[in-house]
Amino acid sequence: EVQLVESGGGLVQPGRSLRLSCAASGFTFDDYAMNWVRQAPGKGLQWVSGISWDSGSIAYADSVKGRFTISRDNAKNSLYLQMNSLRAEDTAFYFCARDKEGGWLQFRAFDYWGQGTLVTVSS
Amino acid sequence: QSALTQPASVSGSPGQSITISCTGTSSDIGGYNYVSWYQQHPGKAPQLMIYDVSHRPSGVSNRFSGSKSGNTASLTISGLRAEDEADYYCSSYTSGNTLGVFGTGTKVTVL
Repeated sequence: EVQLVESGGGLVQPGRSLRLSCAASGFTFDDYAMNWVRQAPGKGLQWVSGISWDSGSIAYADSVKGRFTISRDNAKNSLYLQMNSLRAEDTAFYFCARDKEGGWLQFRAFDYWGQGTLVTVSS
Repeated sequence: QSALTQPASVSGSPGQSITISCTGTSSDIGGYNYVSWYQQHPGKAPQLMIYDVSHRPSGVSNRFSGSKSGNTASLTISGLRAEDEADYYCSSYTSGNTLGVFGTGTKVTVL
């Protein structure tokens, strides 16, 4: 059974940093591109960042470019999101999601999602 | 990159069919067939319902179907059921300065 489990969320002050993790199981992790998608409470989905199977292709939404860094460790079946210079508008549930069609970064379709971890940026 | 445009709400009675539209541009929906649709129940993670405009993943009911015309994609739910009441989001690959974009979301209410 495919499972994605996010962790690392919490309450953080504006300007500080936080690192999210996503532990994957039930599939061959390095066969797939992975993504982070966020959702502010009561709001819609927003794609944040994606990474190819080999970390050779990486992309970010304009709203997080230069502040967030996506990475993965295929040996540990894990995906990460390093979030720096956090702002109030970064407050959201953060989901990790698998790209259905394989290892290349395509934004094709996200077939498995974690349950999300809540990041709250507030003083 | 602006979000794709969806109606805020759509409603229908049990057994009816409803259609949700998703409007983009030639840089996203109009230019590529990487359109997907997701269903999200309150407090839950999104679930993939349609990919590549009109393909259903294994396990998704054939009551759900997708299509595209020009810059607008559509999701049709036929034989509406109470369990279809949820939020629905479209998404598309984009050649803009971001990799992809989601729609604004549509709340489906079963009357």
